[in-house]
Amino acid sequence: AQSVTQLDSHVSVSEGTPVLLRCNYSSSYSPSLFWYVQHPNKGLQLLLKYTSAATLVKGINGFEAEFKKSETSFHLTKPSAHMSDAAEYFCVVSEAGTALIFGKGTTLSVSS
Amino acid sequence: GAGVSQSPRYKVAKRGQDVALRCDPISGHVSLFWYQQALGQGPEFLTYFQNEAQLDKSGLPSDRFFAERPEGSVSTLKIQRTQQEDSAVYLCASSPDRGPGGYTFGSGTRLTVV
Repeated sequence: AQSVTQLDSHVSVSEGTPVLLRCNYSSSYSPSLFWYVQHPNKGLQLLLKYTSAATLVKGINGFEAEFKKSETSFHLTKPSAHMSDAAEYFCVVSEAGTALIFGKGTTLSVSS
Repeated sequence: GAGVSQSPRYKVAKRGQDVALRCDPISGHVSLFWYQQALGQGPEFLTYFQNEAQLDKSGLPSDRFFAERPEGSVSTLKIQRTQQEDSAVYLCASSPDRGPGGYTFGSGTRLTVV
């Protein structure tokens, strides 16, 4: 069965410093992996997706993630945090090509 | 429309009441999904439609939950005899094909059962 584990429930960074949100997955097959962001009272927005092409995936707003099969990881990074990045981030796996399986989320706080 | 539209935005129901939540997907999108997001949790899959066919309803938590998409466009999620544990945000997403890569989520309906 497929699953996702987000290793940190809360990450706090200062504006201008790097962001690292960690995600490990479990999948029997070649998975598709995604990162979504959810701002308060807003809908889920796709940041980036991995679907078995390049292992380093670039997304919107300067975010990127690297698929590492040997480590079953798909960590999300950004070189320099901005105040507007404060939100809830979800790592997501899809194996069957239909339903998405979400992690429990990581709350990113950015201080000035 | 330009995005996935869900209504109502907020719903308060008394325990035991029936509710109906509406989802208007992006025009022409074949696939439609419903998810339930409890407070402080990630969304959990409820059910999936391809056009008017409900292909997967394995995530529906009980037989009090029912979803339909009779004309392959608008979908309604109905919850009968609501319970407090049904309180959550219900999210709808649509996709132009069968794959998950093209999902667009609506803003959700926040259901509170009192």
